Amino acid sequence: EAQVTQNPRYLITVTGKKLTVTCSQNMNHEYMSWYRQDPGLGLRQIYYSMNVEVTDKGDVPEGYKVSRKEKRNFPLILESPSPNQTSLYFCASSQNPGTMGSPLHFGNGTRLTVT
Amino acid sequence: RKEVEQDPGPFNVPEGATVAFNCTYSNSASQSFFWYRQDCRKEPKLLMSVYSSGNEDGRFTAQLNRASQYISLLIRDSKLSDSATYLCVVNILRLPGGGADGLTFGKGTHLIIQP
Repeated sequence: EAQVTQNPRYLITVTGKKLTVTCSQNMNHEYMSWYRQDPGLGLRQIYYSMNVEVTDKGDVPEGYKVSRKEKRNFPLILESPSPNQTSLYFCASSQNPGTMGSPLHFGNGTRLTVT
Repeated sequence: RKEVEQDPGPFNVPEGATVAFNCTYSNSASQSFFWYRQDCRKEPKLLMSVYSSGNEDGRFTAQLNRASQYISLLIRDSKLSDSATYLCVVNILRLPGGGADGLTFGKGTHLIIQP
């Protein structure tokens, strides 16, 4: 089954404790992206990757890191989480984003709480 | 003016009614347009792409008005299961080096179908 898998689904952590949210896709997509979703603010892009070893900042990259060492995986790293990073996070992939016939496939989401 | 704007609603509509909502975009060079559906606390999923000539998929009709820079979604004979948030997504051309891949999400329109 074609899918984007994120882990964990839920995570509660404390300020400053490094964490990684994993994202993996099995569709051989070149493009992957991370978003956060907050009430009243909608989906905002954190980082994206057009291909292996190619990453770029989205609209809200501060406090996050990513890596794309292989095509299927695109982990999101929070080196020193802070309470303002409490949010619902989505990973997505696509073969050619923004083109007809190439939709974004989203993971199930990770609900992160930083206390 | 925001790049992609939607009326957040909620739209409270009786079952069986027809409902329509719009999404406006600011960049006239926008190339492609989509409607995604998001159920509460779940990941967004592609509902339909929006073609220049308009397109229909069952009870759903999408239209593009380039002159006035908006897209619309019409739902006929609404069902309880249509209750969700509908996200407008626009692929906006960006200047080289301007960051971000051009896919911009609206904040969504919340639709509630009432029995």
